[in-house]
Amino acid sequence: EIVLTQSPGTLSLSPGERATLSCRTSQSVSSNYLAWYQQKPGQAPRLLIYGASSRATGIPDRFSGSGSGTDFTLTISRLEREDFAVYYCQQYGSSPLFIFGPGTKVDIK
Amino acid sequence: QVTLRESGPALVKPTQTLKLTCTFSGFSLSTSGMCVSWIRQPPGKALEWLARIDWDDDKFYSTSLETRLTISKDTSRNQVVLTMSNMDPVDTATYFCARVGRDYSSSSGYSYYMDVWGKGTTVTVSS
Repeated sequence: EIVLTQSPGTLSLSPGERATLSCRTSQSVSSNYLAWYQQKPGQAPRLLIYGASSRATGIPDRFSGSGSGTDFTLTISRLEREDFAVYYCQQYGSSPLFIFGPGTKVDIK
Repeated sequence: QVTLRESGPALVKPTQTLKLTCTFSGFSLSTSGMCVSWIRQPPGKALEWLARIDWDDDKFYSTSLETRLTISKDTSRNQVVLTMSNMDPVDTATYFCARVGRDYSSSSGYSYYMDVWGKGTTVTVSS
């Protein structure tokens, strides 16, 4: 079974700064199979990125995804106050069908 | 506009069976390619995928929970039902349903992701 590792666990940054979040998979996966979600306290997750680099509908272009093989990155070019949240990567596979990473919390420095 | 809403008991006792209903609008589960998943999140913890049902009634389950889970659909009522048997306090969580979107790549075929989520329903397991 593939394991997803996200780093760092917590990222403390100021508004306007750049955030770089990492998701590593224990086995090489197709980049088409990697998605990113944002979750704010008390809310459901929101799809940000699918296929490693495609933005979901309505997602601002300050969010971008990249990567291949076992290393994937979510970048927020300039943090806005509403971006402080927890971010999860998710891999689509064979068994189990969906695996989520443990999450990275982006909080205000 | 696609919306999903979860409903079910807020409190269940250990060993009981939990039944959750996802009622959705804005799409039809009889349309080719449409799927709905259930995901849960224990307090302060990460997301855990549970099950998926497809437009053609294919069903997929978490390997660690599949003996306890059953997913079904009522297309005419736009509902998906998840039952989980033998509930335990460790099953205390917020349970989400989500529409599953898919993307096609010529090199790797279809991949799937949860593109619209319900707000979730909190279930506590306690005697």
